[in-house]
Amino acid sequence: DTGVSQDPRHKITKRGQNVTFRCDPISEHNRLYWYRQTLGQGPEFLTYFQNEAQLEKSRLLSDRFSAERPKGSFSTLEIQRTEQGDSAMYLCASSFGTGIATNEKLFFGSGTQLSVL
Amino acid sequence: AQSVSQHNHHVILSEAASLELGCNYSYGGTVNLFWYVQYPGQHLQLLLKYFSGDPLVKGIKGFEAEFIKSKFSFNLRKPSVQWSDTAEYFCAVNARAGNNRKLIWGLGTSLAVNP
Repeated sequence: DTGVSQDPRHKITKRGQNVTFRCDPISEHNRLYWYRQTLGQGPEFLTYFQNEAQLEKSRLLSDRFSAERPKGSFSTLEIQRTEQGDSAMYLCASSFGTGIATNEKLFFGSGTQLSVL
Repeated sequence: AQSVSQHNHHVILSEAASLELGCNYSYGGTVNLFWYVQYPGQHLQLLLKYFSGDPLVKGIKGFEAEFIKSKFSFNLRKPSVQWSDTAEYFCAVNARAGNNRKLIWGLGTSLAVNP
């Protein structure tokens, strides 16, 4: 399967623990996005990378959240000192885009479901 | 504030019925509009998108959507649904160009098609 892959699929953790998720985008895609989705809601934007540069970050992303894409390929999203409110599906998407156009198709992974107890 | 409103949270139809899912947006400037679908147990995937040209766009699996600028709407339609169309449908919008790349999403519409 050459789509976007996310690992793990499910993560259960205790409040206060740190968690890290990984996303492997489609190999030729230069743009990578993280979204968060809770039940009954649409996805909420968290952050965006173009190659290795983090170009945009939502105000939803508190200081406890950090994302990296060190070599412009895979990305990690870390949540420190997890809280129950962090429980959600964390979605990664990638795309290939050039210039300033923003209409490219996003390819989503299956997500990582985080449960904070 | 930028927002996307999907009119129906849950829709139940019988096979062969016609479908129209409403989507209205509030967004300053020129926009791109998208419909994404999530089939049970699968990831989100693009159904169709509009960014310029003919306001009636056709997507995969017989879906189409019409952009009506004066109404800030981008309703999704299908003339005859199938059981396999059972899924969650999301409308999304973003700015046409620039550094703001985030998509603003609606809450989604859950469609159940009875065989």
